[in-house]
Formats: sequence, C-alpha cells, structure tokens
Amino acid sequence: DAGITQSPRHKVTETGTPVTLRCHQTENHRYMYWYRQDPGHGLRLIHYSYGVKDTDKGEVSDGYSVSRSKTEDFLLTLESATSSQTSVYFCAISEPGRVRDVQYFGPGTRLTVT
Amino acid sequence: ILNVEQSPQSLHVQEGDSTNFTCSFPSSNFYALHWYRWETAKSPEALFVMTLNGDEKKKGRISATLNTKEGYSYLYIKGSQPEDSATYLCARYNTDKLIFGTGTRLQVFP
Repeated sequence: DAGITQSPRHKVTETGTPVTLRCHQTENHRYMYWYRQDPGHGLRLIHYSYGVKDTDKGEVSDGYSVSRSKTEDFLLTLESATSSQTSVYFCAISEPGRVRDVQYFGPGTRLTVT
Repeated sequence: ILNVEQSPQSLHVQEGDSTNFTCSFPSSNFYALHWYRWETAKSPEALFVMTLNGDEKKKGRISATLNTKEGYSYLYIKGSQPEDSATYLCARYNTDKLIFGTGTRLQVFP
C-alpha cells in the first residue's frame, strides 16, 4: 500500500469555524490531490498540487484553500465551514509517467459541519 | 469539464452471473482512461490504466476494453462473486487530473 495518511480521520465542527485537513505521504510523489465524495457525485476534485508551492484549482474549489510547503504534506483548509461542506474527503498522490499516472488514495476524512 | 458518464448507476446480480458496465467519455485529445475499484469503507484502488484504442486488460475475472475513437470503455466481470461487490469508477485523464464518472455500484448476492 502507498504510504498515505490523512488526519484527522473524523471531525465534527460547527458552521463558521475554520478546519484544516492534512494529507501526508512517504512516497515522494510529486502530485497530490484533494477530492470530496458525495452521494450521486462520485469523486470531485477540489484542488491539486504539482510540486512544492505549486497548486491549482479543481472543479469544486470555492470555499477551500490549499498549501504545500513540503513534498510530503498537502493541507486543505476550509476557512469558514458550511453545512454544504459536510462530506468525505480523500487525498490522492501520483507520480507523472509512473504506472501511467495511477493515483493512490488515502483512507479518507469524514467531516461533518453542524 | 469533460464529462465522464457511467452506466448503469447500480447493478444487482446473483453469484456466478457475468456482468458488464459502460464508461463513456469525450474522445477528443484522449490520453488515458483509468478504472478503479472502490469497496465500501475503503479507498479507491486502481484496476486498469488504458491508453491505446483497442486496448484490452485483464486481471483475474475482471477485464476491460477501450474504444478511443467512439469514446467508451467496457468493464466485464466473469462469474461474479460476493467479494466483487464494490463501486467501479472510471476516470479520464486530462492535463494532470482525472475526471471521474459517478461510478457503477455492483452488488453480488450469494
């Protein structure tokens, strides 16, 4: 299994509070991704990173920001959580050109915003 | 956004039945198509990555085909087993990203 951990694994927070989710990898992969999983929508990309300090938006980036100051860590921040951000969040990593860009997923973080 | 469509949304089959699902995607500027298997309470895991028109991949009882000209891929499961129960996702590679379909949820009953 690819060495990917996510923390916390579960979190309940109140509307309006800031929340940061962490993804940590030990594989030295260059690309890292944050997805959210919602019923009927599958996996939707929030943001991704193609290197330290290099990030770009995905299809559902509003209300989220990311940072990557080290290869191994990719942080997802909800500046002011809303109930619509209740979801399961998955981090993934990949290395361009290796195994045809297969993505390896972390265990997920279940976030509930009350 | 390049829409990736999967059908059916869900499928219930008996143990021993063979089944197949479809993934359709825009065929222009095609690079690769991925299939992932996602068991409940686990994380998605890669099954196949396919790049060439006419590609066929096989892993045990599961196989996949690819038609890049018409923009579709089929996933086949031969002799379904209860442990095949999962959501099967396809994803089209597009400039550093994967665009996922919403998946086909398969349930295999003993």
